[in-house]
Amino acid sequence: GAVVSQHPSRVICKSGTSVKIECRSLDFQATTMFWYRQFPKKSLMLMATSNEGSKATYEQGVEKDKFLINHASLTLSTLTVTSAHPEDSSFYICSASRWRTQNEQFFGPGTRLTVL
Amino acid sequence: DQQVKQNSPSLSVQEGRISILNCDYTNSMFDYFLWYKKYPAEGPTFLISISSIKDKNEDGRFTVFLNKSAKHLSLHIVPSQPGDSAVYFCAASPERGSNYKLTFGKGTLLTVNP
Repeated sequence: GAVVSQHPSRVICKSGTSVKIECRSLDFQATTMFWYRQFPKKSLMLMATSNEGSKATYEQGVEKDKFLINHASLTLSTLTVTSAHPEDSSFYICSASRWRTQNEQFFGPGTRLTVL
Repeated sequence: DQQVKQNSPSLSVQEGRISILNCDYTNSMFDYFLWYKKYPAEGPTFLISISSIKDKNEDGRFTVFLNKSAKHLSLHIVPSQPGDSAVYFCAASPERGSNYKLTFGKGTLLTVNP
């Protein structure tokens, strides 16, 4: 149990386009979903926290108009990178937590975004 | 300011021996700690956790030790296996509030040599 999927696993796009990444909890209802970004040889940097049906809470320094997060249901959250630029190229990972074990986050496999 | 520190970027051990990965934290509000294992181009996988009311938690080959006074925790893997080779992240969160946000260390690359 506690499987989280992400789609797509890899995406290459042109500068100026928008890219949507989906995060799904497959076998549980996720009370909270988190979006992280990982730079090479760096730690996971939390971008935002979202609860179903409410607005995401963004970490300091993360542009909410740039990284749009929609948490439409208890099993789906989406991250849209708007007007992507090469510096947005990164590995984006989502995670989800369950009501009874909220400290434990279950991670998706990640999405490699490359902006040309 | 890094609140969770993994000062060893890499560690190499021989198969069958013990691997000890260390983690230090500075935020006294942290009282729940987790270890994750991560392979390249994959998401982290939860390994083991410990609450601040305990000083040790064991799960098979994996044991986490917590020293609250020193703000230090460690992950012991024994015996180490080649399949354990991965990056290990230490993470911490407050038990309550802040939506249980995790703060991660930079990770330690463990290589277990056959």
